[in-house]
Amino acid sequence: AQSVTQLDSQVPVFEEAPVELRCNYSSSVSVYLFWYVQYPNQGLQLLLKYLSGSTLVKGINGFEAEFNKSQTSFHLRKPSVHISDTAEYFCAVIYSSNTGKLIFGQGTTLQVKP
Amino acid sequence: DAGVIQSPRHEVTEMGQEVTLRCKPISGHDYLFWYRQTMMRGLELLIYFNNNVPIDDSGMPEDRFSAKMPNASFSTLKIQPSEPRDSAVYFCASSLRVATGVGGYTFGSGTRLTVV
Repeated sequence: AQSVTQLDSQVPVFEEAPVELRCNYSSSVSVYLFWYVQYPNQGLQLLLKYLSGSTLVKGINGFEAEFNKSQTSFHLRKPSVHISDTAEYFCAVIYSSNTGKLIFGQGTTLQVKP
Repeated sequence: DAGVIQSPRHEVTEMGQEVTLRCKPISGHDYLFWYRQTMMRGLELLIYFNNNVPIDDSGMPEDRFSAKMPNASFSTLKIQPSEPRDSAVYFCASSLRVATGVGGYTFGSGTRLTVV
């Protein structure tokens, strides 16, 4: 079945430390990959996306992600986090461009501590 | 563009009442999606439309839920009768077809529904 797995439900980290949020998807011929962020009591905001081309994708707020086809992963990274990065992060995948159907992972709560 | 607009932002209703949630997608987007978010189940896709036509409603929990898209600029999600377990945040999102190279959904701010 087509699914998205976020391996960590919560990631605590100190301010200015690096962070990696992990995401794996079901193997498929072609996929489109996304990371969204949700701040408390708000909607989802697109951080970055991979549609094709370079496997290293840069997004907003200093985040980046790398598409690794052999490992079916799309991990999100930031070299130095801020308190304001505290939020929930969702990895999402479109398995078929014909449907455009976006499947979400369960989310990872990033807790940045001072 | 004002983005995806949802109304109301908050809705509190009594069990058994009809609830209608509304969504205005971004002009020119040809996909519209309804999601439900709860602590227990995360983000669930309820139904989505392409060019105003429902494509996949397999996520609609039961017959009490229905969705319509009468034109390209408006969609509704209706729950009748509502039950306490329907309490959740309901998001609407719109998108251009991924293959155009734009991809990615734009989400509305959501409607927080509380059924008492």
